[in-house]
Amino acid sequence: QSALTQPPSASGSPGQSVTISCTGTSSDVGRYNYVSWYQQHPGKAPKLLIYEVIKRPSGVPDRFSGSKSGNTASLTVSGLQAEDEANYYCTSFAGNDNYVLFGGGTKVTVL
Amino acid sequence: QEQLVQSGAEVKKPGASVTVSCKASGYSLSDYYIHWVRQAPGQGLEWMGRMNPDTGVTNYARKFRGRVTMTRDTSINTAYIDLSSLRSDDTATYYCARGGSTGWRFDFWGQGTLVTVSS
Repeated sequence: QSALTQPPSASGSPGQSVTISCTGTSSDVGRYNYVSWYQQHPGKAPKLLIYEVIKRPSGVPDRFSGSKSGNTASLTVSGLQAEDEANYYCTSFAGNDNYVLFGGGTKVTVL
Repeated sequence: QEQLVQSGAEVKKPGASVTVSCKASGYSLSDYYIHWVRQAPGQGLEWMGRMNPDTGVTNYARKFRGRVTMTRDTSINTAYIDLSSLRSDDTATYYCARGGSTGWRFDFWGQGTLVTVSS
């Protein structure tokens, strides 16, 4: 069982938006603004999409956006494209004992 | 071009140890944390720990304390992870990842190293 809870799957048609939730607790997601999101295509290493809840590394399209409310963070992919079909993972800092927690991952399918 | 290149696949017997290397290029290893994350076949990602390559200070996930050791050789810009007392459920792809300049994020990742534990 993963420490952060994500829906196992999500889907949308090309051009639509999909939002993935990542639910933790007041000891991790709710306490720290160190939530990150990663995209992983099959057989590939993960890629950083969002860090510190809302920040995008250079080179990541602005179709990807992050937010947080209470103990739940969210990743929104707008204008879905075929290449967005992948697994998405959230992480959160959880203090100086647990350190980093991952979500179980969400498989996004572009219909 | 900044990148991390990991050592090749390993097959180990239960009870043995394994060492995976992670060579940084395009930047100085000492300048950023190195994190290690693993992924069992068909499963999600699991954080194992991190090392400050400048000081050698490490922070390990509770689950792996006592079984994992992270080291580095800055003269060859390479980080290492050693996992001992291997079990079948340690079969996974092991990734190194460079930490960000701030906060807890993984800016980019190595290509992964598959470690198979089987008798």
